[in-house]
Amino acid sequence: EAGVAQSPRYKIIEKRQSVAFWCNPISGHATLYWYQQILGQGPKLLIQFQNNGVVDDSQLPKDRFSAERLKGVDSTLKIQPAKLEDSAVYLCASSLASGGPRDTQYFGPGTRLTVL
Amino acid sequence: GEDVEQSLFLSVREGDSSVINCTYTDSSSTYLYWYKQEPGAGLQLLTYIFSNMDMKQDQRLTVLLNKKDKHLSLRIADTQTGDSAIYFCAESLRDGGATNKLIFGTGTLLAVQP
Repeated sequence: EAGVAQSPRYKIIEKRQSVAFWCNPISGHATLYWYQQILGQGPKLLIQFQNNGVVDDSQLPKDRFSAERLKGVDSTLKIQPAKLEDSAVYLCASSLASGGPRDTQYFGPGTRLTVL
Repeated sequence: GEDVEQSLFLSVREGDSSVINCTYTDSSSTYLYWYKQEPGAGLQLLTYIFSNMDMKQDQRLTVLLNKKDKHLSLRIADTQTGDSAIYFCAESLRDGGATNKLIFGTGTLLAVQP
């Protein structure tokens, strides 16, 4: 079974530029998560989708970050414009069902973003 | 408040036991998790424990939960060099709905010396 795919693996941009990340979850997984992991910290949830609807985006900086999952499968996360403090690894995860406590989240390898 | 704390670094010799500790603050947590992150890779779920349990054993892994002190530990028996990684504990918070919001700790880097 293929895991969660993410691209690109690495991205370097200058501040005020835009960037987009792509995630393909495990086939059949209804719930998709985007996390931000700053160096030396644990992952922090940015947004959670159930199929193509947003369940939780309370920690998404909506003035510059946006995410979509139009057909309930792939998802993109965009930052526009980027700031230095956005340098981090962006992790995508998916899970099978409703996102309840025993619903295991499977993580992709992440996209490492460096903002200069 | 939501806060999960871990010590930053642990060094052990191959074959010894490793104990990684975690403290959390939210007493309403229903499940607590241990994840492993190897360099350049995503997080891998190792094990989880329900909040009404004291202990869970899974092969070389033993999870102990002290709910009174809000303390969680992960013991790895017979630690191998392949166990070298960053270990994250996480608590799940129920927000009244079906969502499983995970709050992660800062991670503990386990270095296994041959």
